Amino acid sequence: DQQVKQNSPSLSVQEGRISILNCDYTNSMFDYFLWYKKYPAEGPTFLISISSIKDKNEDGRFTVFLNKSAKHLSLHIVPSQPGDSAVYFCAASLNRDDKIIFGKGTRLHILP
Amino acid sequence: GAVVSQHPSWVICKSGTSVKIECRSLDFQATTMFWYRQFPKQSLMLMATSNEGSKATYEQGVEKDKFLINHASLTLSTLTVTSAHPEDSSFYICSAFGPGGTEAFFGQGTRLTVV
Repeated sequence: DQQVKQNSPSLSVQEGRISILNCDYTNSMFDYFLWYKKYPAEGPTFLISISSIKDKNEDGRFTVFLNKSAKHLSLHIVPSQPGDSAVYFCAASLNRDDKIIFGKGTRLHILP
Repeated sequence: GAVVSQHPSWVICKSGTSVKIECRSLDFQATTMFWYRQFPKQSLMLMATSNEGSKATYEQGVEKDKFLINHASLTLSTLTVTSAHPEDSSFYICSAFGPGGTEAFFGQGTRLTVV
Protein backbone atom coordinates (compact mmCIF):
# COMPACT_ATOMS: atom_id res chain seq x y z
CA ASP A 1 0.00 0.00 0.00
CA GLN A 2 1.57 3.22 -1.20
CA GLN A 3 1.24 5.74 1.62
CA VAL A 4 2.89 8.53 -0.33
CA LYS A 5 1.85 8.91 -3.95
CA GLN A 6 3.34 10.88 -6.77
CA ASN A 7 1.04 10.24 -9.69
CA SER A 8 3.08 12.01 -12.35
CA PRO A 9 6.14 9.98 -13.34
CA SER A 10 7.53 12.88 -15.33
CA LEU A 11 7.05 16.57 -15.97
CA SER A 12 8.54 18.92 -18.56
CA VAL A 13 8.73 22.65 -17.92
CA GLN A 14 10.20 25.51 -19.89
CA GLU A 15 13.20 27.21 -18.35
CA GLY A 16 12.13 30.28 -16.41
CA ARG A 17 8.60 29.02 -15.83
CA ILE A 18 7.14 27.56 -12.67
CA SER A 19 7.48 23.82 -11.96
CA ILE A 20 4.75 22.33 -9.80
CA LEU A 21 5.25 18.84 -8.43
CA ASN A 22 2.35 17.19 -6.67
CA CYS A 23 2.11 14.60 -3.95
CA ASP A 24 -0.74 12.89 -2.11
CA TYR A 25 -0.63 10.84 1.06
CA THR A 26 -3.02 8.46 2.73
CA ASN A 27 -1.86 8.33 6.34
CA SER A 28 -3.44 11.16 8.29
CA MET A 29 -0.94 10.56 11.09
CA PHE A 30 1.94 11.90 9.03
CA ASP A 31 3.22 14.99 10.75
CA TYR A 32 6.22 16.01 8.72
CA PHE A 33 6.71 16.23 4.98
CA LEU A 34 9.85 16.56 2.92
CA TRP A 35 10.99 16.98 -0.65
CA TYR A 36 14.23 15.48 -1.93
CA LYS A 37 16.05 15.87 -5.21
CA LYS A 38 17.96 12.97 -6.64
CA TYR A 39 20.40 12.56 -9.50
CA PRO A 40 21.12 9.11 -10.98
CA ALA A 41 23.48 6.96 -8.93
CA GLU A 42 23.48 9.42 -6.05
CA GLY A 43 21.71 9.61 -2.72
CA PRO A 44 18.77 12.01 -2.32
CA THR A 45 19.49 15.60 -1.34
CA PHE A 46 17.17 17.36 1.05
CA LEU A 47 15.38 20.36 -0.46
CA ILE A 48 12.67 21.61 1.83
CA SER A 49 10.31 20.38 4.51
CA ILE A 50 7.08 21.38 6.17
CA SER A 51 5.46 20.53 9.46
CA SER A 52 1.79 19.65 9.55
CA ILE A 53 1.05 22.74 11.61
CA LYS A 54 1.95 24.92 8.65
CA ASP A 55 0.46 25.26 5.21
CA LYS A 56 3.39 26.88 3.46
CA ASN A 57 7.14 26.99 3.71
CA GLU A 58 9.40 28.95 1.41
CA ASP A 59 13.13 28.73 0.81
CA GLY A 60 14.49 30.71 -2.08
CA ARG A 61 13.07 29.38 -5.33
CA PHE A 62 11.38 26.47 -3.55
CA THR A 63 7.99 26.64 -1.85
CA VAL A 64 6.09 23.75 -0.40
CA PHE A 65 2.34 23.95 0.15
CA LEU A 66 0.43 21.59 2.41
CA ASN A 67 -3.31 20.97 2.32
CA LYS A 68 -4.02 18.66 5.23
CA SER A 69 -7.73 18.29 4.56
CA ALA A 70 -6.97 17.07 1.05
CA LYS A 71 -3.87 15.14 2.16
CA HIS A 72 -2.00 16.87 -0.60
CA LEU A 73 1.24 18.76 -0.88
CA SER A 74 3.04 20.40 -3.72
CA LEU A 75 6.48 21.74 -4.47
CA HIS A 76 6.78 24.91 -6.52
CA ILE A 77 10.05 25.84 -8.16
CA VAL A 78 10.22 29.30 -9.65
CA PRO A 79 11.90 30.23 -11.85
CA SER A 80 12.88 26.79 -13.11
CA GLN A 81 16.52 26.38 -14.09
CA PRO A 82 18.33 23.73 -16.16
CA GLY A 83 20.06 22.42 -13.04
CA ASP A 84 16.66 21.59 -11.58
CA SER A 85 16.34 18.64 -13.96
CA ALA A 86 16.32 15.62 -11.64
CA VAL A 87 13.98 13.21 -9.93
CA TYR A 88 12.03 14.74 -7.06
CA PHE A 89 10.81 12.59 -4.22
CA CYS A 90 8.02 13.54 -1.90
CA ALA A 91 8.37 11.97 1.54
CA ALA A 92 6.58 11.88 4.87
CA SER A 93 7.15 10.77 8.41
CA LEU A 94 5.15 10.50 11.60
CA ASN A 95 7.44 13.01 13.25
CA ARG A 96 10.73 14.71 12.53
CA ASP A 97 12.95 11.91 13.73
CA ASP A 98 10.96 8.95 12.49
CA LYS A 99 11.59 6.85 9.40
CA ILE A 100 10.88 8.55 6.12
CA ILE A 101 8.45 7.04 3.62
CA PHE A 102 9.02 8.03 0.01
CA GLY A 103 6.80 8.41 -3.02
CA LYS A 104 7.87 6.96 -6.37
CA GLY A 105 9.32 10.21 -7.59
CA THR A 106 8.66 12.58 -10.46
CA ARG A 107 11.30 13.17 -13.11
CA LEU A 108 11.47 16.87 -13.90
CA HIS A 109 12.85 17.99 -17.26
CA ILE A 110 13.64 21.66 -17.66
CA LEU A 111 13.50 22.56 -21.33
CA PRO A 112 15.76 25.27 -22.77
CA GLY B 1 25.87 19.97 6.67
CA ALA B 2 26.36 16.56 8.18
CA VAL B 3 27.93 13.89 5.98
CA VAL B 4 26.92 10.28 5.58
CA SER B 5 29.34 8.14 3.63
CA GLN B 6 28.69 4.78 2.02
CA HIS B 7 31.24 2.28 0.86
CA PRO B 8 31.60 0.87 -1.70
CA SER B 9 29.90 3.05 -4.31
CA TRP B 10 29.43 0.08 -6.53
CA VAL B 11 30.11 -3.63 -6.33
CA ILE B 12 29.75 -6.59 -8.65
CA CYS B 13 29.59 -10.02 -7.08
CA LYS B 14 28.92 -13.57 -8.10
CA SER B 15 25.63 -15.21 -7.30
CA GLY B 16 25.78 -17.03 -3.97
CA THR B 17 28.38 -14.78 -2.37
CA SER B 18 27.82 -12.21 0.36
CA VAL B 19 28.41 -8.48 0.10
CA LYS B 20 28.87 -5.98 2.92
CA ILE B 21 27.95 -2.31 2.54
CA GLU B 22 29.12 0.24 5.09
CA CYS B 23 27.36 3.42 6.13
CA ARG B 24 29.24 5.93 8.24
CA SER B 25 28.25 9.21 9.80
CA LEU B 26 31.44 11.21 9.39
CA ASP B 27 31.08 14.12 11.75
CA PHE B 28 28.23 13.21 14.03
CA GLN B 29 26.87 10.30 16.01
CA ALA B 30 23.85 8.47 14.72
CA THR B 31 22.00 6.16 17.08
CA THR B 32 19.59 5.36 14.29
CA MET B 33 20.29 4.78 10.63
CA PHE B 34 17.97 3.71 7.87
CA TRP B 35 18.55 1.43 4.91
CA TYR B 36 16.68 1.94 1.66
CA ARG B 37 16.63 0.10 -1.60
CA GLN B 38 15.75 1.48 -5.00
CA PHE B 39 14.92 -0.49 -8.12
CA PRO B 40 15.18 1.28 -11.49
CA LYS B 41 12.44 3.87 -11.97
CA GLN B 42 10.93 3.07 -8.62
CA SER B 43 10.73 4.66 -5.23
CA LEU B 44 13.17 4.44 -2.39
CA MET B 45 11.84 1.58 -0.33
CA LEU B 46 12.65 1.47 3.36
CA MET B 47 14.16 -1.89 4.24
CA ALA B 48 15.03 -1.52 7.88
CA THR B 49 15.84 0.78 10.75
CA SER B 50 19.25 0.17 12.25
CA ASN B 51 19.57 0.89 15.97
CA GLU B 52 22.94 1.22 17.67
CA GLY B 53 23.49 -1.58 20.14
CA SER B 54 20.27 -3.42 19.41
CA LYS B 55 18.57 -5.43 16.70
CA ALA B 56 17.43 -3.77 13.54
CA THR B 57 13.75 -3.29 12.84
CA TYR B 58 12.80 -4.69 9.45
CA GLU B 59 9.93 -3.58 7.28
CA GLN B 60 7.30 -6.06 6.24
CA GLY B 61 8.45 -8.30 3.44
CA VAL B 62 12.17 -7.78 4.02
CA GLU B 63 14.05 -10.97 4.87
CA LYS B 64 16.06 -10.55 8.06
CA ASP B 65 18.33 -13.48 7.33
CA LYS B 66 19.03 -12.21 3.84
CA PHE B 67 19.80 -8.63 4.73
CA LEU B 68 21.88 -8.62 7.89
CA ILE B 69 22.22 -5.27 9.59
CA ASN B 70 24.76 -4.48 12.27
CA HIS B 71 25.00 -1.12 14.01
CA ALA B 72 27.97 -1.73 16.27
CA SER B 73 28.95 1.87 16.89
CA LEU B 74 27.42 5.32 16.87
CA THR B 75 29.01 6.09 13.51
CA LEU B 76 28.78 2.84 11.59
CA SER B 77 26.01 0.61 10.31
CA THR B 78 26.59 -2.25 7.91
CA LEU B 79 24.23 -4.07 5.57
CA THR B 80 25.29 -7.52 4.46
CA VAL B 81 23.46 -9.09 1.55
CA THR B 82 23.91 -12.80 2.13
CA SER B 83 23.90 -15.40 -0.63
CA ALA B 84 23.21 -12.72 -3.17
CA HIS B 85 21.16 -13.48 -6.25
CA PRO B 86 20.61 -11.45 -9.43
CA GLU B 87 17.24 -10.21 -8.11
CA ASP B 88 19.13 -8.53 -5.26
CA SER B 89 20.78 -6.25 -7.78
CA SER B 90 19.68 -2.78 -6.80
CA PHE B 91 20.75 0.59 -5.50
CA TYR B 92 21.12 0.58 -1.71
CA ILE B 93 21.10 3.85 0.22
CA CYS B 94 21.53 4.58 3.90
CA SER B 95 20.50 7.65 5.83
CA ALA B 96 20.86 9.13 9.27
CA PHE B 97 19.45 12.12 11.04
CA GLY B 98 22.02 14.81 11.58
CA PRO B 99 22.76 16.65 14.81
CA GLY B 100 19.52 17.91 16.24
CA GLY B 101 17.60 15.13 14.55
CA THR B 102 15.75 17.45 12.22
CA GLU B 103 17.20 16.63 8.85
CA ALA B 104 17.97 13.29 7.26
CA PHE B 105 21.23 12.98 5.39
CA PHE B 106 21.78 10.30 2.83
CA GLY B 107 24.80 8.39 1.71
CA GLN B 108 25.74 8.44 -1.94
CA GLY B 109 24.34 4.96 -2.43
CA THR B 110 25.81 1.61 -3.43
CA ARG B 111 25.03 0.02 -6.76
CA LEU B 112 25.01 -3.76 -6.30
CA THR B 113 25.10 -5.99 -9.36
CA VAL B 114 24.89 -9.73 -8.85
CA VAL B 115 25.98 -11.81 -11.82
